[in-house]
Amino acid sequence: LAKTTQPISMDSYEGQEVNITCSHNNIATNDYITWYQQFPSQGPRFIIQGYKTKVTNEVASLFIPADRKSSTLSLPRVSLSDTAVYYCLVGDTGRRALTFGSGTRLQVQP
Amino acid sequence: EADIYQTPRYLVIGTGKKITLECSQTMGHDKMYWYQQDPGMELHLIHYSYGVNSTEKGDLSSESTVSRIRTEHFPLTLESARPSHTSQYLCASSRAGNGELFFGEGSRLTVL
Repeated sequence: LAKTTQPISMDSYEGQEVNITCSHNNIATNDYITWYQQFPSQGPRFIIQGYKTKVTNEVASLFIPADRKSSTLSLPRVSLSDTAVYYCLVGDTGRRALTFGSGTRLQVQP
Repeated sequence: EADIYQTPRYLVIGTGKKITLECSQTMGHDKMYWYQQDPGMELHLIHYSYGVNSTEKGDLSSESTVSRIRTEHFPLTLESARPSHTSQYLCASSRAGNGELFFGEGSRLTVL
C-alpha cells in the first residue's frame, strides 16, 4: 500500500492560489490519486481524482508528473471557507480500502 | 448530496452499555467502511465490507464488530462500551472500482 507524505499545515490569504504537494514514492501501477477535504465535525468530501498528467474540475486542479511519485492539489483563489484539512489518498479501491494519512491543515486568513 | 445516513449523531452513555451505530446508504454501493476519528486527529479505518456477508478488519484494531446482512446497511456494535471508545465514528460507502468515498455525517460517541 503506497504511503503518502504531506505537509502538516499551510497558511494562505484570501484570493491566493494554494498548492499542496503529496509524495507517494511507492505508488503502484493500478493506484489512483484522490484528494479529500474535511471540515471540523464532518466527514471528508471528495475533491478530485486522477491517474496521470492533469485533471481539472470546478473546484481544483490535480497535477501528476510522469513518474507519478508525487501529486499537487491546486486550489485557485482560496477563500476563508477553504480552511480545512486536505487528505491525499493513493490506492486501488478495487483491491482494498484506502487509508487516510495525517492530511494538511490549510488555514486561510482574511 | 450523498445518500448515506448515520444514527445517532450524538450519543452519551455509561460504561458497560451495549451500543449500535447505524449506517445506511441508498446508492446501491457494494463497498462500505467505518472510520474512527478523534478531534483534530487523522481518520483510522476500523472495518470495511465489499459486499453482503463480507467484513474485514481495518488498519486500527477495534473492539467493535460489524455486520453486512443487507447491501444498504452496515451497523457497528460495541458490546460493552468503555471511556476509551469515546470518539467520532464515520461511515462511508463507494461504488466498485476507484469510486469516491461518500461519508455520512458521523456519530459522536461519549462514554462516561
